[in-house]
Amino acid sequence: QRQLVESGGGVVQPGGSLRLSCAASGFALSTSGMHWVRQTPGKGLQYVAGMDYDGGRTYYAESMEGRVTISRDTSKNTLYLQMNSLRGDDTALYYCARDAKYFSFDVWGQGTMVTVSS
Amino acid sequence: QSALTQPASVSGSPGQSITISCTGTSSDVGAYNFVSWFQQYPGKAPKLMIFDVSVRPSGVSSRFSGSKFDNSASLTISGLQAEDEADYYCSSYTPSGPLIFGGGTKLTVL
Repeated sequence: QRQLVESGGGVVQPGGSLRLSCAASGFALSTSGMHWVRQTPGKGLQYVAGMDYDGGRTYYAESMEGRVTISRDTSKNTLYLQMNSLRGDDTALYYCARDAKYFSFDVWGQGTMVTVSS
Repeated sequence: QSALTQPASVSGSPGQSITISCTGTSSDVGAYNFVSWFQQYPGKAPKLMIFDVSVRPSGVSSRFSGSKFDNSASLTISGLQAEDEADYYCSSYTPSGPLIFGGGTKLTVL
């Protein structure tokens, strides 16, 4: 059974950093494109970042580029999202998702909540 | 990058058919056949219902279908059931995005 479990969310002050993790089971990250998507009550779903199956290409939303870095450790079958210079509008539930076929996501985690507040 | 435009809400009675629209531009929906639809229940993660405009993943009911014309995509649910009551989101690939979502549509089954 393919499953994703996110962790690493929490409360962080504006300007702070956080690293999210996404542990995959039931499939290998080395054979799947993976992405991060966030959701806020006011703005719905928003793309954050992604990586091709072979790790050769990464994608970033314009609003996040330069502040986030996506990476993975295939030996741990875990995806990461390093977020820096966090702002209040980064407050959201962050999901990781597996790419079924070019930006269509067939497996989602349960999400990890990030709250940016002083 | 602006979000795709969806109606905030739609409703229908059991057994009826409803259609949710998703309007983009010639740079996203109109340019690529990489449109997906997701169903989301409160407090749950989204679930892929349609990808590549009209392809249903294994296990998704044939009551769900997708289509596209010019810069707009549509999700049609036929034979509406109470369990279909949820939020629905569309998404489209766009080179500058690389992915944009619609604002979501709340489906109410009357």
